[in-house]
Amino acid sequence: DAGITQSPRHKVTETGTPVTLRCHQTENHRYMYWYRQDPGHGLRLIHYSYGVKDTDKGEVSDGYSVSRSKTEDFLLTLESATSSQTSVYFCAISEGDSSGLYEQYFGPGTRLTVT
Amino acid sequence: RKEVEQDPGPFNVPEGATVAFNCTYSNSASQSFFWYRQDCRKEPKLLMSVYSSGNEDGRFTAQLNRASQYISLLIRDSKLSDSATYLCVVLMDSNYQLIWGAGTKLIIKP
Repeated sequence: DAGITQSPRHKVTETGTPVTLRCHQTENHRYMYWYRQDPGHGLRLIHYSYGVKDTDKGEVSDGYSVSRSKTEDFLLTLESATSSQTSVYFCAISEGDSSGLYEQYFGPGTRLTVT
Repeated sequence: RKEVEQDPGPFNVPEGATVAFNCTYSNSASQSFFWYRQDCRKEPKLLMSVYSSGNEDGRFTAQLNRASQYISLLIRDSKLSDSATYLCVVLMDSNYQLIWGAGTKLIIKP
């Protein structure tokens, strides 16, 4: 299995509070991604990173920000959590276009509940 | 129309049977396709990549039909452990992002 960890694994927070989720990889892959997964939807991309300090928005980026200060760490911040952000959040990594390999490998997920 | 569509199922199949499901995609320029497997409350895991000629891995066969814009997954001699949700994924050549289907749930019954 790819060396990807996420923390915390579960979190309950109140509406309006900031929340930061962490993804850590030991594979030295260039690309890192944050997705959310909700019933009836495919995985939806929130933000992704193609290198240290290089990030871009995905399909559902409103209300989220990211940072990548080291190759191995990718942080997702919910600036002011809302109930609509209750979801399962997955981090993924891939080697990306430098090697022509686009397959993504996932962390175990974080279950976030906003009350 | 969703960019990647799958029948949500569930497909209830007896152990040992053969089962197949399709996934349709809307972008005719897509070049790369994947099948992932996701167990309940777990992360998705890559099952197989699907290239132009299709490919086979043991009991699993993936095919690509560009003319009709769908990919298929065939599972032979199904096992109880094959019970999972199967996610179809398409690589968008315009931005190299993956577009995910919502998944097809498969239940293998003894």
